[in-house]
Amino acid sequence: QVQLVQSGAEVKKPGASVKVSCKASGYTFTSHDINWVRQATGQGLEWVGWMNPNSGDIGYAQKFQGRVTMTRNTFISTAYMELSSLRSEDTAVYYCARGTTMVTPLDDWGQGTLVTVSS
Amino acid sequence: SYVLTQPPSVSEAPGKTARITCGGNNIGSKSVHWYQQKAGQAPVLVIYYDSDRPSGIPGRFSGSKSGNTATLTISRVEAGDEAAYYCQVWDSSSDRRGVFGGGTKLTVL
Repeated sequence: QVQLVQSGAEVKKPGASVKVSCKASGYTFTSHDINWVRQATGQGLEWVGWMNPNSGDIGYAQKFQGRVTMTRNTFISTAYMELSSLRSEDTAVYYCARGTTMVTPLDDWGQGTLVTVSS
Repeated sequence: SYVLTQPPSVSEAPGKTARITCGGNNIGSKSVHWYQQKAGQAPVLVIYYDSDRPSGIPGRFSGSKSGNTATLTISRVEAGDEAAYYCQVWDSSSDRRGVFGGGTKLTVL
């Protein structure tokens, strides 16, 4: 079965960077986009961006342009999302989700990674 | 940028029918997907392409669309259906591309 397993919780200081990983199994990693979605405590879902693991093509929500970088390692079927210049408002659970951007739903989700930004 | 509007909360008694709406300009031209998120858990896809149901999702969940509104209908509501529900579309004209509604908390009375 499809599984997306994310890295553990992180605590960072304002201004620092965080890199979250998402390891895929149960399907061909390069055949589906990986999207990233975040959720602040008690708030709704917010789309961050997408990456095509085959081509490396990426797209980010304008809000995160210049601060977010999405990469992958196809040899270990793992996607990464790095967010820099962290501020307290970036405190949230970050999810990776499988789905072809602009086409299909997000049909499988990782368990989420809590990123806490605090001085 | 494109906006999806959901009511913040809906309440319904067990055995009744709950309807959760999702409004958006020209939503009729877009495919709407619905996710269920229970407390402390990751979202789960419950309806895709407006009205299709993934395997494993009970037949009590259905989706429809009319005019500028998509609707998630949950028949014979159960206590286990209590969760937040989010609609989602892809929007090529939006800087965000992936657009979620604000979410609706379903409370089972």
